[in-house]
Amino acid sequence: GAGVSQTPSNKVTEKGKYVELRCDPISGHTALYWYRQSLGQGPEFLIYFQGTGAADDSGLPNDRFFAVRPEGSVSTLKIQRTERGDSAVYLCASSLRGNGYTFGSGTRLTVV
Amino acid sequence: AQSVSQHNHHVILSEAASLELGCNYSYGGTVNLFWYVQYPGQHLQLLLKYFSGDPLVKGIKGFEAEFIKSKFSFNLRKPSVQWSDTAEYFCAVKVGGSQGNLIFGKGTKLSVKP
Repeated sequence: GAGVSQTPSNKVTEKGKYVELRCDPISGHTALYWYRQSLGQGPEFLIYFQGTGAADDSGLPNDRFFAVRPEGSVSTLKIQRTERGDSAVYLCASSLRGNGYTFGSGTRLTVV
Repeated sequence: AQSVSQHNHHVILSEAASLELGCNYSYGGTVNLFWYVQYPGQHLQLLLKYFSGDPLVKGIKGFEAEFIKSKFSFNLRKPSVQWSDTAEYFCAVKVGGSQGNLIFGKGTKLSVKP
């Protein structure tokens, strides 16, 4: 597509529930990145994929967070047993050769 | 660990004033540097980037930034701001190779009074 698409744009969930956030990168972009942005903070790196494999997952805060990119295109960020502290805007970006990163509009997750 | 510091949390200027937003990074290797802007309700957009060559980089909308290696700095400037420049500005450094992830500063909110 023309840009990076993230769905849903907003998600409200109850504490303890499981959520999935989807990212559809720009067609042909091999690298895909997930970030989390809390209020008043800059985006915080979570994980990035090169193709289908996670090249660096050092930013995932704990084992409740997991991400996949099975066919090297769309990616899903999965959060188990959500906590109120997980509330944030989750951003996805894609890149072809690392000289430009295109961001999506994000998914605003609210855990109540 | 690598980090990016943006010194100003909130800057308030009148239209036509000059702007300079500070950015310092800590990373010992070769760096690629970026400035992103986030207008209210919109996604992050690239303003400009530095990879190599001329340390004075010109971006979109009249913005420029200067890479000073000895100071580990990459400050953003604009000679004359407009009300439409009201936004949040993020400095970022790329680490980890050609497709490495970006490390962002906390951002500077710019409010321009008409």
